[in-house]
Amino acid sequence: AQSVTQLDSHVSVSEGTPVLLRCNYSSSYSPSLFWYVQHPNKGLQLLLKYTSAATLVKGINGFEAEFKKSETSFHLTKPSAHMSDAAEYFCVVGITGGFKTIFGAGTRLFVKA
Amino acid sequence: SAVISQKPSRDICQRGTSLTIQCQVDSQVTMMFWYRQQPGQSLTLIATANQGSEATYESGFVIDKFPISRPNLTFSTLTVSNMSPEDSSIYLCSGTGTLGEDTQYFGPGTRLTVL
Repeated sequence: AQSVTQLDSHVSVSEGTPVLLRCNYSSSYSPSLFWYVQHPNKGLQLLLKYTSAATLVKGINGFEAEFKKSETSFHLTKPSAHMSDAAEYFCVVGITGGFKTIFGAGTRLFVKA
Repeated sequence: SAVISQKPSRDICQRGTSLTIQCQVDSQVTMMFWYRQQPGQSLTLIATANQGSEATYESGFVIDKFPISRPNLTFSTLTVSNMSPEDSSIYLCSGTGTLGEDTQYFGPGTRLTVL
């Protein structure tokens, strides 16, 4: 069975410093993995998606994630945080054989000026 | 991709009443889902909305409490029945399966407060 664990409930960084949001997954097969962002009082926006074409996935707004099968990880990074990056981030794994997904608990990113 | 709209965007309801949330997709999608996001929490899948047949509910959710309809490939409704304050949440619908891809696109959500 698939599962996903976001290792940090909160991450705080200063503007201009790197961002690292950690996600581990469990899946018997090569999974589909996603990162979504949810800004306050806004809907969910897809940041990026892994589909086995490349282990390093580039997304919108300068974010990227690296799929590491040996570590069962799919961490989200950004070289330089911006104030507008403050939001809730969800790591999501697709359930094999269908379109359903499992959401991680979420990581709240705070960006300090 | 798909653009998804929901109505209403928010509502305040009295306990014991019911609210129907509408979800409209701008293109045909294979699958539509309904999620609940309780305050400060992640998303929990309520059910898969099946076109022309009964929805498939996840453990802990039942049809009597959350009846769902999906009359065609672009529209679905979720009703929250006999509401209690514990039903106060954001309810989101999503669509996927456009052109065979498995990316889910989400509506903006309906913020429900039950007094």
